[in-house]
Order: sequence, then structure tokens, then C-alpha cells
Amino acid sequence: DIVMTQSPLSLPVTPGEPASISCRSSQSLLHRNGKKYLDWYLQRPGQSPQLLIYLGSIRASGVPDRFSGSASGTDFTLKISRVEADDVGVYYCMQARQTPWTFGQGTKVEFK
Amino acid sequence: QVHLQESGPGLVSPSQTVSLTCSVSGASIISDGYYWSWVRQRPGKGLEWIGYAFQSWTTDYNPSLRSRATIAVDISEGQFSLTLQSVSGADTATYYCAATVVDTTVGPTQGRFYGMGVWGRGTTVIVSS
Repeated sequence: DIVMTQSPLSLPVTPGEPASISCRSSQSLLHRNGKKYLDWYLQRPGQSPQLLIYLGSIRASGVPDRFSGSASGTDFTLKISRVEADDVGVYYCMQARQTPWTFGQGTKVEFK
Repeated sequence: QVHLQESGPGLVSPSQTVSLTCSVSGASIISDGYYWSWVRQRPGKGLEWIGYAFQSWTTDYNPSLRSRATIAVDISEGQFSLTLQSVSGADTATYYCAATVVDTTVGPTQGRFYGMGVWGRGTTVIVSS
């Protein structure tokens, strides 16, 4: 199985400030079609997960442009340019390069 | 717009079989544009992919379930199901159904996965005697 490792696991943030979450995969997520099959999800308290980013860097429909994703080799980063109140929750990365699809442990983002 | 709604029994006895259903609206259950997945979340824990079905005849599962899981598509009802055998307390969780969008455009982008863009609200399963 591909192991997804996130850091940090807890991220205290200040509203209006930037935030960054890292995710590392134990194997390459590069598909033969040239894309990296890495998604980012946000699970707000008491809610279902919501897709933020797919293919490493493409924002899902309706996701604010303060969210961005990037990749370098097997390292992936989710950045929030300016954290807002609605961004609190647990963020997960997930690889869909090969089954079983696997999630990172989750990063809990909360206000300081 | 695709909408998913889970349903299930809520409480199951240990060693029994639990069946969950996900009703799909807004898309054909046999569309080649979606992979239909089950994902679970144990209390206070992270997300675990259980498996998926695609166009009713293709399925794949997480080996961690040790062949206890079966996902089936009911074309007539427009829904897909998860059957989990020999449940134990470790199967107590919220079970989500989710849809992964697949690019069906003929050309270089065909077949690309565009993430689990649609999720149900989840159904809680408690395994207890």
C-alpha cells in the first residue's frame, strides 16, 4: 500500500495569516497520463469531507482561490493564503494512484 | 448535480452482516463518469477507503477488510450497496458513500480522476450486543 504521511498533525492558525500542510507519499503518484493522483479534502466539524484540490493542484468547483496545491516529487503541499473562520477542520490528503486508495492521518487546523 | 444518500440499520450485533445502501440521484449508476466508493471513519479517527464499484461490473476493495466487504450496484434502483460480513466493534464507524468523477472526454484527458467530489452525509453503524 502507498503510505501517506501528513505534517503537522495539528496546526494552530491565526485568522488572516497563511497556513501550510505537507503530505508525503511513500511511492510516486505519477500516472502514465502525466498527472499526479493526489487529492486534498477538508472535513469541517460534524460534516462530511469536502473535495478541495484534485490532481495535486486543481481547485475543485466552488473552492476559494485562497486554497492552492503544489507538488514536488512525492511531496505535496496545501496552502491557505489567508485563513478564514470557515477553514477550521481536519485536512486530509489522499492518493488515488493505485488501490487501495489511502489517506493521510489528517491535520487538524484550529484557531490559536 | 449528483446527490448521494446513505441508509443503514444503525445497530448491528457482533459477528452479523450489515448492509448499507447509497441512493444516487442526478447521474446514472452505470455512467462511465463516476467511481462509486465507500469510505468509513471510526469514532475520532481518520478516513479509510473501503472500496469502489464502476459501471456495475468492476469492483476493488481495501485488503484491510480481509474479503469481508462486497460492493454491488443495483441498476434498477439507481443505488449501490456495501455488505460487510462478520462485523466486530472495530467496524463501528460512520460510513460515507462518495463519487469520484472520471473524465470521459475522448482524448488525452480521458480516464483522469478528478477527486471524490460528491459525498453523502454518512450513516453510523454501531456494532454492539
